[in-house]
Amino acid sequence: GQQVMQIPQYQHVQEGEDFTTYCNSSTTLSNIQWYKQRPGGHPVFLIQLVKSGEVKKQKRLTFQFGEAKKNSSLHITATQTTDVGTYFCAGHPDYKLSFGAGTTVTVRA
Amino acid sequence: DGGITQSPKYLFRKEGQNVTLSCEQNLNHDAMYWYRQDPGQGLRLIYYSQIVNDFQKGDIAEGYSVSREKKESFPLTVTSAQKNPTAFYLCASSASADYGYTFGSGTRLTVV
Repeated sequence: GQQVMQIPQYQHVQEGEDFTTYCNSSTTLSNIQWYKQRPGGHPVFLIQLVKSGEVKKQKRLTFQFGEAKKNSSLHITATQTTDVGTYFCAGHPDYKLSFGAGTTVTVRA
Repeated sequence: DGGITQSPKYLFRKEGQNVTLSCEQNLNHDAMYWYRQDPGQGLRLIYYSQIVNDFQKGDIAEGYSVSREKKESFPLTVTSAQKNPTAFYLCASSASADYGYTFGSGTRLTVV
C-alpha cells in the first residue's frame, strides 16, 4: 500500500494567496523529494531534502523536512497561474521511491 | 541535450494484444524505472533496474515484463495478462537510488 500520504488532494487558490501542501510517511525517510507535474505533462524534479529539519527555498517555494524525517511540507507564497499543476512528494521508506498521490493545484485569476 | 525519450506518445491496442513501450536515455544513468499513473492515484512502480541485465519487480508488476540489455534502454511490455492496461506510463532514470529522477514525457496507452 501507499506509504507516503499527501494532503490536501486538491487545492484551489486565489491568485496572489499563499498555500501549503503536506506530506506524511508512516516510516522514517532517508530523504524526501518533490516533483511538479503540469497538466498533460510529466513529473519534473524540484528538490531533495536530506537532513532533519532542513528548509530549502526556490523563489516563492519553501520546502521543509520534519525533525523526525517522517513529514514534509511545500509552501508557495503569492501563487501565480504558472503554479498550476500537481505536486508530488516522494520518499524512500526502503530502497524504492514511494510517491504520494499528489496535491492538484488550480489558481483563480 | 541529455534526457529520456519515450515513444510513442499515444498508443492504441486491441484487447488481448501485447504491446511494447520504448524508453531510451542518454544521461548515463545506471538506474531506470517504469511507473504507471492513473487519475488520483499518483505514481505506482511497475519495474526497476539498478544495472544492466538486472531488474526487480515493483508494486504492480503482474501483467508486465521488462528487459535491460543495454544501459540506455529499458523497454516495457504490457501483456494480455494485464487486466486494466489503459493508463499513462512513465519511464524514469536516476544516477542512483538517492538522486532525483528524470522522467520521460510518457506514453498514453489505450486498450479497446
